[in-house]
Amino acid sequence: NAGVTQTPKFRVLKTGQSMTLLCAQDMNHEYMYWYRQDPGMGLRLIHYSVGEGTTAKGEVPDGYNVSRLKKQNFLLGLESAAPSQTSVYFCASSYRGDDTQYFGPGTRLTVL
Amino acid sequence: GNSVTQMEGPVTLSEEAFLTINCTYTATGYPSLFWYVQYPGEGLQLLLKATKADDKGSNKGFEATYRKETTSFHLEKGSVQVSDSAVYFCALPIFSGGYNKLIFGAGTRLAVHP
Repeated sequence: NAGVTQTPKFRVLKTGQSMTLLCAQDMNHEYMYWYRQDPGMGLRLIHYSVGEGTTAKGEVPDGYNVSRLKKQNFLLGLESAAPSQTSVYFCASSYRGDDTQYFGPGTRLTVL
Repeated sequence: GNSVTQMEGPVTLSEEAFLTINCTYTATGYPSLFWYVQYPGEGLQLLLKATKADDKGSNKGFEATYRKETTSFHLEKGSVQVSDSAVYFCALPIFSGGYNKLIFGAGTRLAVHP
């Protein structure tokens, strides 16, 4: 049981480049979440999904897109990266909406 | 609105010292309260939780009591170890729109030295 995994672990982008972060969970969870973690600000929710084929905006969705084509995967895309998107990105999942969320190890993204 | 305030770090302690990390919250009603821990290079893990007033959550020697009268959920441990070095987050789950929106504090970094 791997839990929640994230790919890649580290990435450096130039301004304007695009990339996709992959989150995978093997716990058959319905709900999945993408957060960003910035110094002194805790974690903030970017987008979330309540099931396969669904997505919804969180607290800070601008500049990001997501897709949930398969129940076990939740992709976060940056179409045109900006330095303000330099952050650590965490994926999480939960079985139900009111359940404990389980977090992945994170992706450290630097945009130059 | 709903918010969580944690004491700023870093907190530096010697092994076997007593630990307190303060957390206060603002919320409507009586939500659950969580403490998450993030070890170096890892994601967040749920450390403990309390679901109602006067509940005490405990795990791995850590404890926190949900105090309604002071809107607090301070994390304590009687004797810290080097392996407790991590970042600790207090979190408030607000159930809205069909899921738990987690409102996190800024995090408190703990460094324990031998």
